[in-house]
Amino acid sequence: NAGVTQTPKFQVLKTGQSMTLQCAQDMNHEYMSWYRQDPGMGLRLIHYSVGAGITDQGEVPNGYNVSRSTTEDFPLRLLSAAPSQTSVYFCASSYSRLASQTNIQYFGAGTRLSVL
Amino acid sequence: DQQVKQNSPSLSVQEGRISILNCDYTNSMFDYFLWYKKYPAEGPTFLISISSIKDKNEDGRFTVFLNKSAKHLSLHIVPSQPGDSAVYFCAASVASGTYKYIFGTGTRLKVLA
Repeated sequence: NAGVTQTPKFQVLKTGQSMTLQCAQDMNHEYMSWYRQDPGMGLRLIHYSVGAGITDQGEVPNGYNVSRSTTEDFPLRLLSAAPSQTSVYFCASSYSRLASQTNIQYFGAGTRLSVL
Repeated sequence: DQQVKQNSPSLSVQEGRISILNCDYTNSMFDYFLWYKKYPAEGPTFLISISSIKDKNEDGRFTVFLNKSAKHLSLHIVPSQPGDSAVYFCAASVASGTYKYIFGTGTRLKVLA
């Protein structure tokens, strides 16, 4: 059971380049999310999905696109990278849909992205 | 506006002593709180949670206290161990079972042997 897998672990881009950060989970979780972690800012939600075909914006969605064609995969796309997108990106998944249950998020190991 | 605040960026504690990590929040609608631990080069992992209907939750060496009137929660680790050295994030949500949490900025705990 691999949990949440993120690829690549490291990436360096030039300003204006595009790329996709991959995220896959094998726990059959409905909910998946993308966060970015910056010094002094904690974890900020970029986009999230409550199931295949359904996505929505989080706190800091600008410059990022997502899609959810399967339950397992939730890729994050940077269409035109900017230096402000230099960060560590975490993907997370969770299973609970009932308000009475703890919704624990399981995180991947992260992708460290530098935009020059 | 930071709705969840961890005002201590770092904390050092001797092995065997108590570690107390604090978290303050501003949104009175938050009613579910979690603590995550993060080691370098790894993703955060869930540690312990508490609902607003409780004021205390224990799990082994870890206890979380919630003071709703003060909008304050704290994580106590007793006794502290070197393996507890990590960054600790608190997170808050308006209801359990949701997928949207607001995270604090984290506190780096160092337990000295």
